[in-house]
This record gives sequence, structure tokens and C-alpha cells, in this order.
Amino acid sequence: DAGVTQSPTHLIKTRGQQVTLRCSPKSGHDTVSWYQQALGQGPQFIFQYYEEEERQRGNFPDRFSGHQFPNYSSELNVNALLLGDSALYLCASSSLGRGQETQYFGPGTRLLVL
Amino acid sequence: DAKTTQPNSMESNEEEPVHLPCNHSTISGTDYIHWYRQLPSQGPEYVIHGLTSNVNNRMASLAIAEDRKSSTLILHRATLRDAAVYYCILLPEETSGSRLTFGEGTQLTVNP
Repeated sequence: DAGVTQSPTHLIKTRGQQVTLRCSPKSGHDTVSWYQQALGQGPQFIFQYYEEEERQRGNFPDRFSGHQFPNYSSELNVNALLLGDSALYLCASSSLGRGQETQYFGPGTRLLVL
Repeated sequence: DAKTTQPNSMESNEEEPVHLPCNHSTISGTDYIHWYRQLPSQGPEYVIHGLTSNVNNRMASLAIAEDRKSSTLILHRATLRDAAVYYCILLPEETSGSRLTFGEGTQLTVNP
């Protein structure tokens, strides 16, 4: 059983460009969350998708957008990249539940903005 | 969201027990206590969670204070592979999604 997979593993972009990151959830999971982790800090919640809709959103600008497909996979798009967007982007999947649900994280995509 | 407080770093020797503390004095009655850890160059992974009673699984034990204002993650015999950042996170039961609020966690160093 494959866990959460993310692509690409690494990416280098320049300021002002746009980037798309991809995530495939663990088998049987219907909910995908995205997190941004700056160097030396804990992950910060960006947003969560369930049934192809954004259910929750963290404190991130509209430059960050996402999508979930019928097969539950998801994309994270970031427009007009800034140097400060350089980070590890983590995808996590789970089954919608209450309080006790476990999130499974992928290995992340390391984005460097020059 | 209720806040958790953890030491920035801790050190242990291989094959010795490790007790990682977490303070959550503003915890509400329906908040679950979750622990995740993040090994170097990997995404976080779930370790254990509990509500009121102490919990054990194959990875660790979770000891919860009677007033629930603090908890301790116990690794019974630390190995080099347990070197990671450990995060203590509160999740409200009524949250029908699992948005995790990470702090800075505790960096655990395991010495051979």
C-alpha cells in the first residue's frame, strides 16, 4: 500500500513565476491538507480539501490556491512567487473524522525561489 | 486554539528511556492530545494520541496528568532512529477535520 506521494521532490523557481505541486493521498483517504514548513519551524496549515472543495484555510494569501480531483489527489498552486515562499511543502491525507483521526504526511516538495 | 509549550531540545542516550514533556494549561475538556514526530528530511509522522487515560502503542506511551494540563511522551528505549523533532498538538473533538497546529516542538538528540 503506497503512502502519501508528492511530486516533484525539489523545484527551483524565480520570483514572479507560478508553481504547481502535486499530491496523491494514501489509499482509502478522502481528505488532503497542505502545509508549508519554513526552515527551522513547524509546519503551518495552508488549506484542506474534501469532496473537491476547500473546507478550511489557514492564514495564507490568495496567491495560494488548490484543487482536489475526483480520485482525491490534489494540487497546490502558488502564483507570483516571492522569495519568502521558499519552504518545504507537505501534503497530508486522512479520512474525515472527529478529533482522533490520524494524518499521514508525504515526504514533501522542497521549493526554492530565487 | 489551545496552546502547547515544549522544551526546545532534549538529549538522551541510546537504549535509555526518554520523557518528553508538554504543557497545555488551557486545554478544554474535549481536546485530544496528539503527538507527531518529524525525522530529518521527512514529513511528520503520527506517534500516539489520548484524551484522559494513559495510552500505549508499539512506538511509545502517553502519560496524561490527572488535570490534563500536561502530558509526557515516553520512549521506553531510545534508538538512534528516534532522533527527531517531537510535536505535541491539541485537537478539539468537535473539529470535523484534522487541521494540525504545530509549534516548534522538541528536538530530541540520541547519543550512541
